[in-house]
Amino acid sequence: GQNIDQPTEMTATEGAIVQINCTYQTSGFNGLFWYQQHAGEAPTFLSYNVLDGLEEKGRFSSFLSRSKGYSYLLLKELQMKDSASYLCAVTDSNYQLIWGAGTKLIIKP
Amino acid sequence: IAGITQAPTSQILAAGRRMTLRCTQDMRHNAMYWYRQDLGLGLRLIHYSNTAGTTGKGEVPDGYSVSRANTDDFPLTLASAVPSQTSVYFCASSEVGAEGDTQYFGPGTRLTVL
Repeated sequence: GQNIDQPTEMTATEGAIVQINCTYQTSGFNGLFWYQQHAGEAPTFLSYNVLDGLEEKGRFSSFLSRSKGYSYLLLKELQMKDSASYLCAVTDSNYQLIWGAGTKLIIKP
Repeated sequence: IAGITQAPTSQILAAGRRMTLRCTQDMRHNAMYWYRQDLGLGLRLIHYSNTAGTTGKGEVPDGYSVSRANTDDFPLTLASAVPSQTSVYFCASSEVGAEGDTQYFGPGTRLTVL
């Protein structure tokens, strides 16, 4: 079966750095996405990785290792508004998007 | 309209009733999707459409139907609602071939079936 694993919940301190991990087992691989979802709102696109390595976008970076079936989302200089769920999703060989259950990130002052 | 709109925002429905959730996008994306999101579970694909006039079944299609008469609209119909269809429903769209087919989501419809 196809599976995306990410921690259910993480807690971090305002101003700090946090890394949210995602591991996947899918039938093929055509890209990995990270989305942010605030409570009661829709998911919003953060990043897309299809090649190994680090993609940086301001305070957010996303890393991919296809050989390890592994990605992480790195959030720097955490702000209270970063409190949200972070969803990892992988496009399989049929170009279907497989979603993880999400990681709820709690930011404390 | 900017992006994707969904209607209604929320709805309480009696079991057995028929309900259509509406979704409209103005980005001229060729692909559209319907998901449901339940607590503790990832987004689950109900139905999708790669282009106007075609539709396909996702992971959890039973009890739901869709149509895609034109590029902009992708309604989801529950023919006879059951309590297990209580969920938050998201519509999404993507431009096939653009940045891995990145999907953009509407604001969602919160549906309660009693």
